Amino acid sequence: GENVEQHPSTLSVQEGDSAVIKCTYSDSASNYFPWYKQELGKRPQLIIDIRSNVGEKKDQRIAVTLNKTAKHFSLHITETQPEDSAVYFCAASRSNDMRFGAGTRLTVKP
Amino acid sequence: NAGVTQTPKFQVLKTGQSMTLQCAQDMNHEYMSWYRQDPGMGLRLIHYSVGAGITDQGEVPNGYNVSRSTTEDFPLRLLSAAPSQTSVYFCASSYWTGVSYGYTFGSGTRLTVV
Repeated sequence: GENVEQHPSTLSVQEGDSAVIKCTYSDSASNYFPWYKQELGKRPQLIIDIRSNVGEKKDQRIAVTLNKTAKHFSLHITETQPEDSAVYFCAASRSNDMRFGAGTRLTVKP
Repeated sequence: NAGVTQTPKFQVLKTGQSMTLQCAQDMNHEYMSWYRQDPGMGLRLIHYSVGAGITDQGEVPNGYNVSRSTTEDFPLRLLSAAPSQTSVYFCASSYWTGVSYGYTFGSGTRLTVV
């Protein structure tokens, strides 16, 4: 089955700086790559996703890039704010069978 | 439209007890799944279902059973609880929108096995 690795496990940045989280996947047939944000004690919420036929997608301060050849994808958050502090999960799937990375705890210091 | 409803929110079990975690969705999603979340290990897929009457195993199925008798409900059964099953459990439902899988998570069940 699919195996997703995520790095780093923790990330601390100063408010206003950028944050980058990277994931790799093993199944070359995976075609859908979402990112989820989970605040303490709450359920994961989808923040952005990308399909395998797209190399980059942007939504305001959040962007995701995908390199199919290398089988890795990344989340970029610009102009970070304290409310961006949360755990972020990447995931990969080629059907409804979604596999998640281990998560990155992002802390944005004011 | 309640989305995905999980019950209970909290549960404490003794080793060897059995229980069922309930999950219901009112969005007519074909696909439902159960994940467990442990510190440092992300969300791991336990079981999933692609429609009523169809279930399959995920990454960590041992110790858990599921059934899908209706589109709306997807209960997760622990037959004989073990301390290793202490975790937060999330149910999710999804459908293919044409461009993405619209995953919706329930609010989670925090299970402690003592």
